[in-house]
Amino acid sequence: EIVMTQSPATLSVSPGERATLSCRASQSVSSSLAWYQQKPGQAPRLLIYGASTRATGIPARFSGSGSGTEFTLTISSLQSEDFAVYYCQQYNNWPPPYSFGQGTKLEIK
Amino acid sequence: EVQLVESGGGLVQPGGSLRLSCAASGFTFSSYSMNWVRQALGKGLEWVSYISTSGLTIYYADSVKGRFTISRDNAENSLRLQMNSLRAEDTAVYYCVRRGDYGDYWGQGTLVTVSS
Repeated sequence: EIVMTQSPATLSVSPGERATLSCRASQSVSSSLAWYQQKPGQAPRLLIYGASTRATGIPARFSGSGSGTEFTLTISSLQSEDFAVYYCQQYNNWPPPYSFGQGTKLEIK
Repeated sequence: EVQLVESGGGLVQPGGSLRLSCAASGFTFSSYSMNWVRQALGKGLEWVSYISTSGLTIYYADSVKGRFTISRDNAENSLRLQMNSLRAEDTAVYYCVRRGDYGDYWGQGTLVTVSS
C-alpha cells in the first residue's frame, strides 16, 4: 500500500500571505494526486486533481504542482475562508485502496 | 446540481448491523463508479469501498473486508453499504463519493456510532 505523508501537520499563516503544503508518496504515483479542503462539520471539497488541475469553481489562488513522489499545494494569498484542513490523496495504484495523507491544518497566525 | 444524500446512520451495539444508503441526483448515476469513505471524529479520511458502474467490480479496505457489502441500484440512482459485525473502530462519519479515482463530489455524510 502506498503511504502518503503530509507536512507540516499544522501551518500558521497570516491572511494575505502565501501558504505551501507538502505531500509525499512512499512510491511514485505519477500525477495521480488530488487535494481536498475540509472545514469543520463539512464534507471534503475537491480542489485539485491530476496534481495540478483545479476543480470546477476553485479560485486561481489555489495551485498544485509535482509528480512522482513529491507534491505541493500553494495558496497564493490566504483568505479567511481558506483556513481549514487539507488532505492529499493518491489514486495511481489499481485496484484500490486509494490512500490519503493524514492532513495539514492551516490556521490563522 | 449534483447531490449525494446519505442516510441510515445511527447508534448500534458492537456486533450489530446497519445499512447505509446514498441517493444520487443531478447526474447520470450509472455512468460513475462510486466509493464510500469514512472519517472517525477528529481523524483523517479512510477509503472503505469501491464499486464500478455496473456493480460487477468491487473492492474493500482490509479493515472491512468480509463484514461490509457495497451495492448499487442504477435504476433507483442509489448506492448502499451493508455493514455487519460492527466494531467500535467502525465509528465514523461515512461519506458517499462520486468517481472511482478522486472524489469530485461528496455527500454530507452520515454518522455511525458503534457502542454498547
